[in-house]
Amino acid sequence: KAGVTQTPRYLIKTRGQQVTLSCSPISGHRSVSWYQQTPGQGLQFLFEYFSETQRNKGNFPGRFSGRQFSNSRSEMNVSTLELGDSALYLCASSAMDGGHEQYFGPGTRLTVT
Amino acid sequence: DQQVKQNSPSLSVQEGRISILNCDYTNSMFDYFLWYKKYPAEGPTFLISISSIKDKNEDGRFTVFLNKSAKHLSLHIVPSQPGDSAVYFCAASGSGTASKLTFGTGTRLQVTL
Repeated sequence: KAGVTQTPRYLIKTRGQQVTLSCSPISGHRSVSWYQQTPGQGLQFLFEYFSETQRNKGNFPGRFSGRQFSNSRSEMNVSTLELGDSALYLCASSAMDGGHEQYFGPGTRLTVT
Repeated sequence: DQQVKQNSPSLSVQEGRISILNCDYTNSMFDYFLWYKKYPAEGPTFLISISSIKDKNEDGRFTVFLNKSAKHLSLHIVPSQPGDSAVYFCAASGSGTASKLTFGTGTRLQVTL
C-alpha cells in the first residue's frame, strides 16, 4: 500500500499571502489529521477530519482551516500568513473510526518570508 | 502546559546495548500511548503503542512499558543499532479524542559503534 502523500514538499510564501497544502491518506483510511511542527512548540495538533467533517480541533487561530473530500483526500489552508507560520506541516491518516495509530506523510516545509 | 514530557533531550548508547527512553504525562484522561521515530525532514514513523489496560507491549526489539500510577512510560530498544539513531517522540491520546495526539518534545538517540 502506498503511504500518506503530501504536496508540495516545499513552499516559500510572503507574509500576508495564503497557502493551500494537500494530503492523500493511505488507501482505505478515512481519518486525516494535521499537525504543525516548529522548533519552539514541537508537534502540535491542528485538526482532524473524518467523513468530510471536522471532528477535532486544536488551539490554532481561525486563519488555519481545512477540508476533506469524499475520497478522503484533505487540504489545509492558511490565510494571511505570518512569519511564525513557518513550520513543517504534517498530515497523518488512521484506519479505524477514531483509531489511535496514525501514519504520517513526509510533510510540507513552509517558509514565510 | 506540557501534558506529555520527555525530560531527556538526548541519549547516547553503544551499539548492542539497551536504549531506554522515558516519557511522563500529567493528563489522567490519556488512555493510549504511542512511540514514533523521526528522521530530519521526514514525517514521524509509528513504532509501537500501548493501551492503558496493559502494562507492557513488545514488538521485536521494541518494548513499551506503562506505569499508570506513576503516569510514566518507557521505550526499550534491545539491542540498539546504528540505524536507530533518530529523534523519538512519545504521544498520548484520550478515548474521546483518539485522533488528537499530544506529543512530547522528543529525545534524540545516538547509537555509537
